[in-house]
Formats: sequence, structure tokens, C-alpha cells
Amino acid sequence: AQSVTQLDSHVSVSEGTPVLLRCNYSSSYSPSLFWYVQHPNKGLQLLLKYTSAATLVKGINGFEAEFKKSETSFHLTKPSAHMSDAAEYFCVVSEGRDDKIIFGKGTRLHILP
Amino acid sequence: NAGVTQTPKFQVLKTGQSMTLQCAQDMNHEYMSWYRQDPGMGLRLIHYSVGAGITDQGEVPNGYNVSRSTTEDFPLRLLSAAPSQTSVYFCASSYSAGGNSPLHFGNGTRLTVT
Repeated sequence: AQSVTQLDSHVSVSEGTPVLLRCNYSSSYSPSLFWYVQHPNKGLQLLLKYTSAATLVKGINGFEAEFKKSETSFHLTKPSAHMSDAAEYFCVVSEGRDDKIIFGKGTRLHILP
Repeated sequence: NAGVTQTPKFQVLKTGQSMTLQCAQDMNHEYMSWYRQDPGMGLRLIHYSVGAGITDQGEVPNGYNVSRSTTEDFPLRLLSAAPSQTSVYFCASSYSAGGNSPLHFGNGTRLTVT
């Protein structure tokens, strides 16, 4: 059975410093993995997705994530945080055509001036 | 394109009242779903549909009904609202079920049941 764990419920970084949001997953097969971002009072927006192509995936707004099968991780990073990055981020795993999509509980990113 | 449109944005109900949350998408997506979002719980799947005329239960279906008579529309019905249904509800669609297709979300409906 698939599952996803976001290791931090809150992360605070200073503007201009690197961002790391951690996500571990479990999956019986080759999963598809996604990161979504949710700004206040908005729906979720796709940041990036991994679907068994390159292990380093680049997304929008300078974010990227690396699929590490040996560590069952899919951590999200950004070299330099911007105030507009303050939001909640969700890691998502899915496998197979008919399996349900599983969301992590989210990580709220705070950007300090 | 409008994408996924949810109405209303806000709703207050009294316990026992019924209502329908509307969801429409204009992307000709096969897959549509409803989630509820509660603090610290992430998103939990209520019901989903892999095509017109087909619906199935998700993780938390009790107290909710859905139907999918057209590809575009996927309304969520609360038959007798309870305070435990106070939440933010999101409708999402994707080109196909699960797998590689990313979800497209509406902006949500904030429901309060008193």
C-alpha cells in the first residue's frame, strides 16, 4: 500500500536562503510523485511531478525535487527563498491507473524577512 | 479557460440542512474528485469519478453523495449537515485516473455548519 510522510509540519527560512521540504513515501510499485503548493485561500497548484523519467525534476518558480529510490524520498528544494514562497506544500504519491491519490499532511513554509 | 469552477465560495448551514456544492470543469477531464481539507489532516478524498455515470467512495464518504451525469459536472450533496462537516471542500479533475495525470483544483468552498 502506498503512503506519504512529510517530515516537518512547519519550516521557517530567511529570505534568500535555501529551502528544503522533506517527503518520504512508500510504494509497492513505481510511483508517480507530485508536489503541490497552496497559497492562502486558494486551491492547490502543481509545482512539479516525477513519473519515472529523470530523477531530478524541475518545477515552476525555481523549485526542484530529486527522486531517490534507495531512500524512498522526494524532497523539495529551492536555492533562494522569496517572500512569495510562503505557502503550504503537499507531497503526493500515486501508483497504477486505478489507485487513489494519497496526500501528505502538508508543510507550511514561513519566510522571514 | 476557466479550469475548475466551484460554487459557492462560502456557505453557512444549520445542522440538518441540506445543500449541494457545485463543481464544473471545462477541460474534458475524465477524472473528478472531491476532497475536504481540515487543519493538520491534509486533504482527504470523499468521492471520485473516473467518467460520466461512474462514481466511487473515497476515504471519508459518509454523509456525502455524488453523481456524474455529464463529463463537466460533479456536484457534492450534503443530505443532512452536521458540525463535523465544517471544512474547506476542494473539487479536482485530471485527464485520467491516478498515475501520471496531475490534478487541477478549484479554489474551494468554505463550509460552516452550526
